Amino acid sequence: AQSVSQHNHHVILSEAASLELGCNYSYGGTVNLFWYVQYPGQHLQLLLKYFSGDPLVKGIKGFEAEFIKSKFSFNLRKPSVQWSDTAEYFCAVNARRNAGNMLTFGGGTRLMVKP
Amino acid sequence: ETGVTQSPTHLIKTRGQQVTLRCSSQSGHNTVSWYQQALGQGPQFIFQYYREEENGRGNFPPRFSGLQFPNYSSELNVNALELDDSALYLCASALNGGGAYEQYFGPGTRLTVT
Repeated sequence: AQSVSQHNHHVILSEAASLELGCNYSYGGTVNLFWYVQYPGQHLQLLLKYFSGDPLVKGIKGFEAEFIKSKFSFNLRKPSVQWSDTAEYFCAVNARRNAGNMLTFGGGTRLMVKP
Repeated sequence: ETGVTQSPTHLIKTRGQQVTLRCSSQSGHNTVSWYQQALGQGPQFIFQYYREEENGRGNFPPRFSGLQFPNYSSELNVNALELDDSALYLCASALNGGGAYEQYFGPGTRLTVT
């Protein structure tokens, strides 16, 4: 069975600091990878996705993520965070052969950006 | 374009009761998935419906069941509610064209079982 680990449960940063959130998955086959964000009081929104091709993907709001197949990782980065980035971030994996294309989520990282 | 909507927003039930949660998929989407998100955790996949048939199921007991209707809206039914069923239930819709696709989530239904 596939699983997803997000190493940092809580992260506190000051505005303008750089961000990197770790995500590792366990599955040996071909995967689709996602980062979702949940702002306070709002529903899950897709930040970015990787299906194939360039392993460095760019998403909305200046976020990017790099797929490193050899490390089973898909870390999320942003060069300079803003107060409005305060939210919970979820990494998710979908094994392509998996019936139903279910998403397996990590436990989430709660990011607080201090103004 | 209307996004994914869910009803009700909040619900309080007693242990042993049954509950039905509803989801309207985004326009043009033919696939609906349901997830359970317990407090402080990531969402867990319950099952998915594609063209009115169950198309995959996670590690949830049979008392969790669902339906998808011809207009692609969906219901999640939970029988014999237990305290641990208290969670946010998320519906996600997608357009399954045979390849990889992304899922769009609704706001969720917060279920409290007392």
